Amino acid sequence: QSVLTQPPSASGTPGQRVTISCSGSSSNIGSNTVNWYQQLPGTAPKLLIYSNNQRPSGVPDRFSGSKSGTSASLAISGLQSEDEADYYCAAWDDSLNGHYVFGTGTKVTVL
Amino acid sequence: QVQLQESGPGLVKPSQTLSLTCTVSGGSINSADYYWSWIRQPAGKGLEWIGRIYTSGSTNYNPSLKSRVTISVDTSKNQFSLKLSSVTAADTAVYYCARLALWGYFDLWGRGTLVTVSS
Repeated sequence: QSVLTQPPSASGTPGQRVTISCSGSSSNIGSNTVNWYQQLPGTAPKLLIYSNNQRPSGVPDRFSGSKSGTSASLAISGLQSEDEADYYCAAWDDSLNGHYVFGTGTKVTVL
Repeated sequence: QVQLQESGPGLVKPSQTLSLTCTVSGGSINSADYYWSWIRQPAGKGLEWIGRIYTSGSTNYNPSLKSRVTISVDTSKNQFSLKLSSVTAADTAVYYCARLALWGYFDLWGRGTLVTVSS
């Protein structure tokens, strides 16, 4: 079961800015870094943001991440049609001997 | 570059054990910088972490699956494996293997393999 809560959907027109929230607790986001994954239809997830706000090589700079307390957010600036995908936040959780937790996922639709 | 490939039966009967292997190619599984992990995703649903293993053999499992999961590593074959016992239809999912950096993020994923639990 997911312990990180995300809105089920978000949408915007091309060029707009879309923000996705991720709410956790002191044992996960409050204590560890947050990562974001993008999953295009029918494909494996791909690392989008790591360590709260770092972009892997090849990820466009229109994607940005931030974290504050027990919440995090992903922003997509200049939304493009190819950004239509599912997005998941994730973090290590220190409870119960430690385990990794994913967010509930957000479907981004480009209108 | 390093690639991951899942393999194993696509159909498992209820109450039996699901067994999958992930082969690491283009690099060594014996790296001090990574854990090796399994993740699954039921159709139309979100991602669920199953567990991780270090090359030393040290493991961590999802508390909700811990009683049924075993992850092992074979460094001589550059592979790591998943066994999930007493499966039910609820275990039907796409299973991914992934590389987990020590800093806590999955930077490399396999393409995934669908496992269906059905009689």
